[in-house]
Amino acid sequence: GENVEQHPSTLSVQEGDSAVIKCTYSDSASNYFPWYKQELGKGPQLIIDIRSNVGEKKDQRIAVTLNKTAKHFSLHITETQPEDSAVYFCAASIGGSQGNLIFGKGTKLSVKP
Amino acid sequence: DGGITQSPKYLFRKEGQNVTLSCEQNLNHDAMYWYRQDPGQGLRLIYYSQIVNDFQKGDIAEGYSVSREKKESFPLTVTSAQKNPTAFYLCASSINKDNEQFFGPGTRLTVL
Repeated sequence: GENVEQHPSTLSVQEGDSAVIKCTYSDSASNYFPWYKQELGKGPQLIIDIRSNVGEKKDQRIAVTLNKTAKHFSLHITETQPEDSAVYFCAASIGGSQGNLIFGKGTKLSVKP
Repeated sequence: DGGITQSPKYLFRKEGQNVTLSCEQNLNHDAMYWYRQDPGQGLRLIYYSQIVNDFQKGDIAEGYSVSREKKESFPLTVTSAQKNPTAFYLCASSINKDNEQFFGPGTRLTVL
């Protein structure tokens, strides 16, 4: 079946450093790639997403890049802050429907002050 | 205040009992979803509904049932047939099947 691989599973950085999380997907028809942030005991929150007709998207300190040929996409967080500490999930649409998502297993990001 | 609500936040049940988890949204979204989350795992889709009175099985529907009698409500029943029901359950909704999903706060179910 289709799957999404996410790496690393844990990531620890110093405050102010950058953090990069990478995902690869298997469904060549995937065209929508959201990233979610989940704080302990809460539901995931959408932080940024990208569609297949775009190679990069940026929102303040957060950016996502997509390489459709290689079937991988990455989340970049610059100038990390302690409040960025959370679990981050990538996801990819199955086929052309954004409503049908398959998720990576998550990356626990720790930002040390 | 618009959003997705799930209740209760924590739920305890004895083995062999059915239990129903509530999910309500006042966002006027057509599509609603139920996911299960286990420690160290990604979210896995249980059921989804694109419109009232319609729903489809996700990847792990066995042992679960849903109904969608109202647009704003999508309750999930965890039946005694579910072999390992202890997990964190997340409900989500989207304007329609082709838009981004927004998640509720989750219900942590523990079966004793």
